[in-house]
Amino acid sequence: KAGVTQTPRYLIKTRGQQVTLSCSPISGHRSVSWYQQTPGQGLQFLFEYFSETQRNKGNFPGRFSGRQFSNSRSEMNVSTLELGDSALYLCASSLEYGDGYGYTFGSGTRLTVV
Amino acid sequence: DQQVKQNSPSLSVQEGRISILNCDYTNSMFDYFLWYKKYPAEGPTFLISISSIKDKNEDGRFTVFLNKSAKHLSLHIVPSQPGDSAVYFCAASVHNAGNMLTFGGGTRLMVKP
Repeated sequence: KAGVTQTPRYLIKTRGQQVTLSCSPISGHRSVSWYQQTPGQGLQFLFEYFSETQRNKGNFPGRFSGRQFSNSRSEMNVSTLELGDSALYLCASSLEYGDGYGYTFGSGTRLTVV
Repeated sequence: DQQVKQNSPSLSVQEGRISILNCDYTNSMFDYFLWYKKYPAEGPTFLISISSIKDKNEDGRFTVFLNKSAKHLSLHIVPSQPGDSAVYFCAASVHNAGNMLTFGGGTRLMVKP
């Protein structure tokens, strides 16, 4: 079965712009989480969605937001981009909320802010 | 405050020998621990996990050990193969708190032929 699909794979944006990243979870998976990976901070949790509701949120500014649709697909949005937002953004899906051991990650979206 | 730490940024071992990757945590609430392997430009791939009610879990060449009193876990790979060369992340979660994982900084493993 298809894995977690993230689009686009690569993105270059200018400071001050906004960006929307998309994630399609594995079919049947209802929980979607987002992580940011940077060389300095490692992998950091952004937020988790289940049944179209945000269940957990990491320690990121309000410029980072997300949503989940009724088909479990998810998007995350970053507004007013800063150079420090350059990172690999990873989406992970699992069957249910609290089902951490069932996590499957996508290949990520590499965002570069110039 | 880094709640999960991998103090060795890199490790080099000879093919066929044992690789031991270490991870320490500070949050006593963590009750589930996972190891992921990551290649460049790819997402992490789940390797093995352990619940806090156990102290050891094996899956083929991979064994994870958990020492709750020391808040320490380790991943043993025996025998190591060149294809194991990657960055390894340990992660921890609180089982009733959803799927939020707290990751360590990663250890780059290089297995030399």
